[in-house]
Amino acid sequence: QSALTQPRSVSGSPGQSVTISCTGTSSDVGGYNYVSWYQQHPGKAPKLMIYDVSKRPSGVPNRFSGSKSGNTASLTISGLQAEDEADYYCCSYVGSYTWVFGGGTKLTVL
Amino acid sequence: EAQLVESGGGLVQPGGSLRLSCAASGFTLNRNWMHWVRQGPGKGLVWVSYINSDGSSTSYADSVKGRFTISRDNAKNTLYLQMNSLRAEDTAVYYCARGDGYSLYLWGQGTMVTVSS
Repeated sequence: QSALTQPRSVSGSPGQSVTISCTGTSSDVGGYNYVSWYQQHPGKAPKLMIYDVSKRPSGVPNRFSGSKSGNTASLTISGLQAEDEADYYCCSYVGSYTWVFGGGTKLTVL
Repeated sequence: EAQLVESGGGLVQPGGSLRLSCAASGFTLNRNWMHWVRQGPGKGLVWVSYINSDGSSTSYADSVKGRFTISRDNAKNTLYLQMNSLRAEDTAVYYCARGDGYSLYLWGQGTMVTVSS
């Protein structure tokens, strides 16, 4: 159950796009289409932003999109806004009803 | 409005026990998988445990296997996490979360557990 690998930090200016990667193995990210992404503001509970690799829950802006290629999943945020500044975590199903999170990425909006 | 509220956190000595509760409102707990996730101070999210809708299937992260037990009382609309043999490294905010398929759809606000002498 090793954590998925995410960059520690990314940054972008308002209006720009940023992409956060999430690298695992064929036993987790690459083996299942069950990658989800969570946004967490300081002192707050996480919020689901993307599920099943690329699906958006109701209420999540379409500026947020997800994809996967091989053992790497990605979260792209387009048209960056100040309120997007937060920590982002990927999560993958690993089989046998177990899950693993990534280490988290701090997004800074410049 | 659907929400989850955790309780039961606090300060406990190494080797001690604690039971966390997660009360659901605005929805029926027995239709959902449920999870516990923890976050150490300044650290990332770590998945801890899962339980299916009727409590017949559970799973755990290796770091807590044999020490933690997840359970649910659907009649009380409440999820539990019994934590035994606690260690300093178990210090964290513990979140309960409602599963929706293979994602964690709704999260509580968390309860802090501190393991220290």
